[in-house]
Amino acid sequence: DTEVTQTPKHLVMGMTNKKSLKCEQHMGHRAMYWYKQKAKKPPELMFVYSYEKLSINESVPSRFSPECPNSSLLNLHLHALQPEDSALYLCASSLRGELSDTQYFGPGTRLTVL
Amino acid sequence: AQSVTQLDSQVPVFEEAPVELRCNYSSSVSVYLFWYVQYPNQGLQLLLKYLSGSTLVESINGFEAEFNKSQTSFHLRKPSVHISDTAEYFCAVSAGEYGNKLVFGAGTILRVKS
Repeated sequence: DTEVTQTPKHLVMGMTNKKSLKCEQHMGHRAMYWYKQKAKKPPELMFVYSYEKLSINESVPSRFSPECPNSSLLNLHLHALQPEDSALYLCASSLRGELSDTQYFGPGTRLTVL
Repeated sequence: AQSVTQLDSQVPVFEEAPVELRCNYSSSVSVYLFWYVQYPNQGLQLLLKYLSGSTLVESINGFEAEFNKSQTSFHLRKPSVHISDTAEYFCAVSAGEYGNKLVFGAGTILRVKS
């Protein structure tokens, strides 16, 4: 199994809603990542979990809250988002979180905030 | 400051013609270099990577890239493109000075015309 899965594929939410994005991998990878990709832009790193501990937070607003319940699962909890948060949210995983690792990406969740 | 520069935002080319997508990086330390491809409404797929050793790396679908340390470049080439190669291509660098993360260039849209 060399796949990273993400659910849901699409999400529309209001600014007062609370929702969660889910990411799962069964490759035995110990590093997992959240990226945000705006239209016609490259992905930008948001968070990195390494061995289930948050190792990088790229100064992301607190309305985004990551969670890594175990080594296979990564969640992104959303609350009080703004319309400018609308984007494609990509999850990735890699073997150990080392510089030479290949990151494997999921298909993304397309989020629209109304 | 941008650490990965993709000089062309769009490259139109006819089917069966050769193509080169340019990528330059800035780093004073050892780097690991990657090319990812993104098809519309999908996640990123690894095309090829340079970690060490031979400066010419190849992918299974006919792409190749050459690491040139003196010119700090990692250009992607294909001798004969297909319609199915139409996609966005991202060059990325991983280096310790960037905080153990993958930094992407702005992307190049390859449009293959029949």
